[in-house]
Amino acid sequence: GAGVSQSPRYKVTKRGQDVALRCDPISGHVSLYWYRQALGQGPEFLTYFNYEAQQDKSGLPNDRFSAERPEGSISTLTIQRTEQRDSAMYRCASSPTSSRETQYFGPGTRLLVL
Amino acid sequence: GQSLEQPSEVTAVEGAIVQINCTYQTSGFYGLSWYQQHDGGAPTFLSYNALDGLEETGRFSSFLSRSDSYGYLLLQELQMKDSASYFCAVWAGGSQGNLIFGKGTKLSVKP
Repeated sequence: GAGVSQSPRYKVTKRGQDVALRCDPISGHVSLYWYRQALGQGPEFLTYFNYEAQQDKSGLPNDRFSAERPEGSISTLTIQRTEQRDSAMYRCASSPTSSRETQYFGPGTRLLVL
Repeated sequence: GQSLEQPSEVTAVEGAIVQINCTYQTSGFYGLSWYQQHDGGAPTFLSYNALDGLEETGRFSSFLSRSDSYGYLLLQELQMKDSASYFCAVWAGGSQGNLIFGKGTKLSVKP
């Protein structure tokens, strides 16, 4: 079956613009997670959802970052007024249950803020 | 703070056995996971340990000692395709959604 998909795969934007990153999890997966991964580092947690409810957003760096999953499936991570330091790989993962044992990662969106 | 420590790089030859260690300090502990990531690819799940002991899945095994806050990933009969980064990750549990990832160990398998 289809895995986790993310779009766009690459995004180049100018500083100050807003961007929206999309994640389409594996069908039927309960939980969805957003991570940011710098080159040569492990994924860094941003936020996660069980169904449509945002359970934990403690990893969001500041209030320019927000996420939603309105129907418990597709999720959008939005970054407002982007800054150069926001440049990174943004990864989405989903899991079939709310247990954090096994997460299936998407290919990521590479964001470059000029 | 919460931290995971693992070696930054390991080199081994094809057919050999390699062990990648992970020690952790976290506010809580529910389980230790291992992920593999090839260059340019996404992390893929390898194993999960919630209880002490060894879990075996094919050529890969993972071990956990909760009392020592320590685990390892054992890769046997190394193949060139095993060259990748390996991350340990701890689920601290409770309402916290996050897996806390280590910085990763880059494994290079030589012929």
